[in-house]
Amino acid sequence: GAGVSQSPSNKVTEKGKDVELRCDPISGHTALYWYRQSLGQGLEFLIYFQGNSAPDKSGLPSDRFSAERTGGSVSTLTIQRTQQEDSAVYLCASSLESASGPPRQYFGPGTRLTVL
Amino acid sequence: AQSVTQPDIHITVSEGASLELRCNYSYGATPYLFWYVQSPGQGLQLLLKYFSGDTLVQGIKGFEAEFKRSQSSFNLRKPSVHWSDAAEYFCAVGLMEYGNKLVFGAGTILRVKS
Repeated sequence: GAGVSQSPSNKVTEKGKDVELRCDPISGHTALYWYRQSLGQGLEFLIYFQGNSAPDKSGLPSDRFSAERTGGSVSTLTIQRTQQEDSAVYLCASSLESASGPPRQYFGPGTRLTVL
Repeated sequence: AQSVTQPDIHITVSEGASLELRCNYSYGATPYLFWYVQSPGQGLQLLLKYFSGDTLVQGIKGFEAEFKRSQSSFNLRKPSVHWSDAAEYFCAVGLMEYGNKLVFGAGTILRVKS
């Protein structure tokens, strides 16, 4: 079946512009995660959605970053007034809810963001 | 704070040789541990995971990992490396009390020479 998809695959923008990154999770997965992979920082957690619960935004690096998940499915990560340090690969993952241990997270191919 | 350390940034092994990638974690509770692989241009793929029970876990592609609580380690091994194993490998801790988010190590890039 279809995996996690992300769009666009690549995005080049100018400093100061806003960008939106989209994630389509696997159908039926209740949890959705955003991570960022950048040089020198490795993979870092950004935000987590689980069902109808309030999202865990503890990993968002600044208030320029926000995310929403509509209808419990598609998610959009928005970065306002982009800065060069926002350049990274943004990864989305989804999972089922699990009662026995952390559920397996399925990762999308990522969106490579370049801020000029 | 929770952290994962992968002390080797790059490792080069000959095809057919054995491989061990190191991972140490810092975490107060029982850890849930994962190894992921990322090939060039590909997404992260789960190799194996440890939740409880047998401390030696088997994964896909002939990989295994051993959880050693006394050493806070979860090293990844493969007895005979193939050229297709060249990729970046990430160790991660799953934090159930924080919504199952993953804390990743910095990654180890594996190069395989023929």
